[in-house]
Amino acid sequence: GQSLEQPSEVTAVEGAIVQINCTYQTSGFYGLSWYQQHDGGAPTFLSYNALDGLEETGRFSSFLSRSDSYGYLLLQELQMKDSASYFCAVRSGGSYIPTFGRGTSLIVHP
Amino acid sequence: DTGVSQDPRHKITKRGQNVTFRCDPISEHNRLYWYRQTLGQGPEFLTYFQNEAQLEKSRLLSDRFSAERPKGSFSTLEIQRTEQGDSAMYLCASSLPSGRNMDTQYFGPGTRLTVL
Repeated sequence: GQSLEQPSEVTAVEGAIVQINCTYQTSGFYGLSWYQQHDGGAPTFLSYNALDGLEETGRFSSFLSRSDSYGYLLLQELQMKDSASYFCAVRSGGSYIPTFGRGTSLIVHP
Repeated sequence: DTGVSQDPRHKITKRGQNVTFRCDPISEHNRLYWYRQTLGQGPEFLTYFQNEAQLEKSRLLSDRFSAERPKGSFSTLEIQRTEQGDSAMYLCASSLPSGRNMDTQYFGPGTRLTVL
């Protein structure tokens, strides 16, 4: 089976940089995705990594280390609107279905 | 393209009743997924379709749950004889079929089910 671990909650101040970690256990790893979900809203795709390294999309970046079974989402220049839950999701080779983590609640303070 | 839509957005029902939810995916997406999400948890996979074919169902999905996608466009999820434990947000997502596109899923707003 697959399992993912991510912190339940992270707090930061507006304008800061925050990192949300995700470690996973799976066989035949294919890729790691990140989604953002505001309270009462739908998950929204943020980023995807299949290879080691950093993917940058505006203020958000995502990193993957396949050898360490580890990834993180980096949010820069935090804004109040970034307060939301962030989910990592792993897909293994041979499966078309991602497994989602339990999510990290990010609270941004003024 | 208006994104993934779901109907209804909220459903309150009494235990034992049947409910049906509808999902309209993004038009060019041939993969469609159903998930269930409860408070404090990530989306939990229920089933998925490629075009009209239902290719995988979660082992957690009881016989009371059934899903269809008759013409490869919209999909319905039916829950028979609802139980209080079925109370959750039911999310639909769609994606393109191949490679990296499979991992970019577009979610609908969800249907919140409350079973009394």
